[in-house]
Amino acid sequence: NAGVMQNPRHLVRRRGQEARLRCSPMKGHSHVYWYRQLPEEGLKFMVYLQKENIIDESGMPKERFSAEFPKEGPSILRIQQVVRGDSAAYFCASSARRTSGSSYEQYFGPGTRLTVT
Amino acid sequence: DAKTTQPTSMDCAEGRAANLPCNHSTISGNEYVYWYRQIHSQGPQYIIHGLKNNETNEMASLIITEDRKSSTLILPHATLRDTAVYYCIVGGGSNYKLTFGKGTLLTVNP
Repeated sequence: NAGVMQNPRHLVRRRGQEARLRCSPMKGHSHVYWYRQLPEEGLKFMVYLQKENIIDESGMPKERFSAEFPKEGPSILRIQQVVRGDSAAYFCASSARRTSGSSYEQYFGPGTRLTVT
Repeated sequence: DAKTTQPTSMDCAEGRAANLPCNHSTISGNEYVYWYRQIHSQGPQYIIHGLKNNETNEMASLIITEDRKSSTLILPHATLRDTAVYYCIVGGGSNYKLTFGKGTLLTVNP
């Protein structure tokens, strides 16, 4: 049973370019979460998506960042016009279908390390 | 969100039990206690979670006090590969955001 997959594992972009990070959830999981880990800091929640829906994007910067989880294919985190401050590790997690009041543990992928030069 | 307090670092001898404490005195009734670990910048690895009762799986045991204000993660026979940062996180129920603090750096020594 494959775990959460992320690609690419490492991504180098020049300032002003676009970065596209992909995440395939675990089989049977329909909920995807993106987190960012800046150097020497803890992971910070960015966005929570279900298929074709953004549930909560309260942790996403208002500009240049967007996320989607289409009906078919992986979830995509897109960063337009990258700046040096976007250099970080971006982790995707997935969980099974949630019901109110329940606990569903999140399983994380290996991350994409973005370096902006 | 309920906050957690963990020691910054701990040491453990290989083969011995590692007991990692966590305080979460503001936990609410429907919140769970989760434990994750992160080995050298890899993706966080889920270990175990619990609500009220003690829990055990193939990786670890979780002991939650009766008042739920603190818990202890137990790795029964620590190995060198258990060296990692361990995060105690309170969440679940309607709160799906995992808030990662600084965690405890556990170093297992030969």
